[in-house]
Order: sequence, then structure tokens, then C-alpha cells
Amino acid sequence: AQSVTQPDIHITVSEGASLELRCNYSYGATPYLFWYVQSPGQGLQLLLKYFSGDTLVQGIKGFEAEFKRSQSSFNLRKPSVHWSDAAEYFCAVGPYGGNEKLTFGTGTRLTIIP
Amino acid sequence: SAVISQKPSRDICQRGTSLTIQCQVDSQVTMMFWYRQQPGQSLTLIATANQGSEATYESGFVIDKFPISRPNLTFSTLTVSNMSPEDSSIYLCSVEETADSPLHFGNGTRLTVT
Repeated sequence: AQSVTQPDIHITVSEGASLELRCNYSYGATPYLFWYVQSPGQGLQLLLKYFSGDTLVQGIKGFEAEFKRSQSSFNLRKPSVHWSDAAEYFCAVGPYGGNEKLTFGTGTRLTIIP
Repeated sequence: SAVISQKPSRDICQRGTSLTIQCQVDSQVTMMFWYRQQPGQSLTLIATANQGSEATYESGFVIDKFPISRPNLTFSTLTVSNMSPEDSSIYLCSVEETADSPLHFGNGTRLTVT
């Protein structure tokens, strides 16, 4: 069965500092991987996705993620966070073309301190 | 990407009553889905809303409790029936614009059952 683990429930970083959110997955075939962000009172917004090609993918808002097959990881990074990045971040995995089979992680809540 | 309007954005309901949530998309989409996000938890797929036919429910969800309609390619409703406090959650509509495209989400409906 497929699964997603986000080991960090809550992370606090200072504004301007770098950020890395961890995501580990279990999937029996080639995974289709996503990062979504949910701001308070909002739905989920797609940050980036990966299925094939360059393992370092660029997303919106200055985020990037690196796919490492050997580690079954898809960690999200940002070199310098802004106060507006405070939100909940979800990693998801599924088959290509099979959105009804997506599995979401439990999320990482990001707090930014001045 | 598609603009998704979900109504109501929040509601407080008494147990035993029902609430219908509407999801309107500004363009025709291939797939529409309904998710539940319980407090502090990740997203769980309730069902796939099929245009012109009965919805496809995931394990643990039944039509009598969560009837779904999808009369056309831009609109769907989810009803939460005979509500109890355990139904207090955020309910999210999501769409797949074309085959193989990632999911896009509405802003959700925050439901509190008292």
C-alpha cells in the first residue's frame, strides 16, 4: 500500500532563514509526487509536482523540491522564508493520471518568527 | 487553472440536520472529488463525483450519509446528512481539469456540528 510520511508536525523558522520540509513515501511503481500549501481558512494550493525528468523541480513562491529515489524522499526547500510562508504543507503521492488514488501526508505546520 | 467556488465557506449546524455544500467551477473539468479534512488530520477522499451517474465512494463512506450530485461538468454538491459532532470537519471540493493534470482545490467548507 502507498503511504506518505511527513516526520515533522510543526517547524518554526526565523524570517529570512532557509527551510527544508521532509517527505518520505512508499510506492510500488513510479510515483507522481506533489507538494501543496494550505493557508489558514483556505483550500490547498499546488506548489509543485514531479513525475519524471530533472529530479530538482521548481515551484511557485520560490519553493523547490528534490526527488531522491534511493531515499524515497521528496523534500521541499526554500532558501529564504517570508512571513507569508506561514501555513500547513502537505506532501502527496499517487499514480500518474490517477488522482483518485492520491495519498496525502499528515502535514507540517510552518511558523515564521520575526 | 480553474477557479473553484465553494459555498458555504463555513457553517454551524445542529445535530440531526443536513447541510448541502456546493462546488462551482468556471470551466468544464473531467473529474470532481470531495475530500474531508478532520481537525489536525490530513485529507481523506470521500468520493468521486461522476457526471450523470452515481458517485464512486471510498471505503468507509456511503451514499446515504454523503449523497453527491454532479449534473454537469462544472457543478457538484455534497450533502452531509443526519449530522453528528463527529462530522465536524473541513470539506473540500477538488477538480482535475484534464486527464493527468494535478488536483486543484476550492477553499473548503468549515463545518461545525453542535
